[in-house]
Amino acid sequence: KAGVTQTPRYLIKTRGQQVTLSCSPISGHRSVSWYQQTPGQGLQFLFEYFSETQRNKGNFPGRFSGRQFSNSRSEMNVSTLELGDSALYLCASSLRVQGTENTEAFFGQGTRLTVV
Amino acid sequence: AQKITQTQPGMFVQEKEAVTLDCTYDTSDPSYGLFWYKQPSSGEMIFLIYQGSYDQQNATEGRYSLNFQKARKSANLVISASQLGDSAMYFCAMRERNTNAGKSTFGDGTTLTVKP
Repeated sequence: KAGVTQTPRYLIKTRGQQVTLSCSPISGHRSVSWYQQTPGQGLQFLFEYFSETQRNKGNFPGRFSGRQFSNSRSEMNVSTLELGDSALYLCASSLRVQGTENTEAFFGQGTRLTVV
Repeated sequence: AQKITQTQPGMFVQEKEAVTLDCTYDTSDPSYGLFWYKQPSSGEMIFLIYQGSYDQQNATEGRYSLNFQKARKSANLVISASQLGDSAMYFCAMRERNTNAGKSTFGDGTTLTVKP
């Protein structure tokens, strides 16, 4: 069974540009979450999608957005990039949203974004 | 208040010895799950072990066991017979059933180094 696939693995962008990251969850998983990992802030929750609907959102500015498609694949978009957006962006998939306190999240290898 | 606290930024252990990584948590939700993840330098978060708030017994998965003390709100990870490949960053995480559905809250992590 294929794991969570994130593309691209590495990305270099310039300040002010926008970027789109992609995440394909494990087959059958309908919940996709996104996290930002930086040395200073650790792992921060961005948002979660289930059945094409955003179910939960972290404390990030509106420049960060996402969507989920009918096949559960998800994309995350960051507009007007800032130097501080440089981070490892991790995507995780789970079987469901409700009652997920007992459901592990499986992570992809992440996309390492560098903003210059 | 921090929901997940890992007080050990770095730990060293001799190969083949056991090591305990500390994790304390804070929640008012009666139903929650506690997870441990391993993150090697490649970046991928690897799920290790899960403990539910209503589980009566401590979770075990191969060389990993979770020392769950609910009254003290601690969920320490014990790795027995450490191997060189165990060197990595370890994160404790929590998911709550009734709040922040689908969101995992992570600690700051502990870097484990296994010495030969």
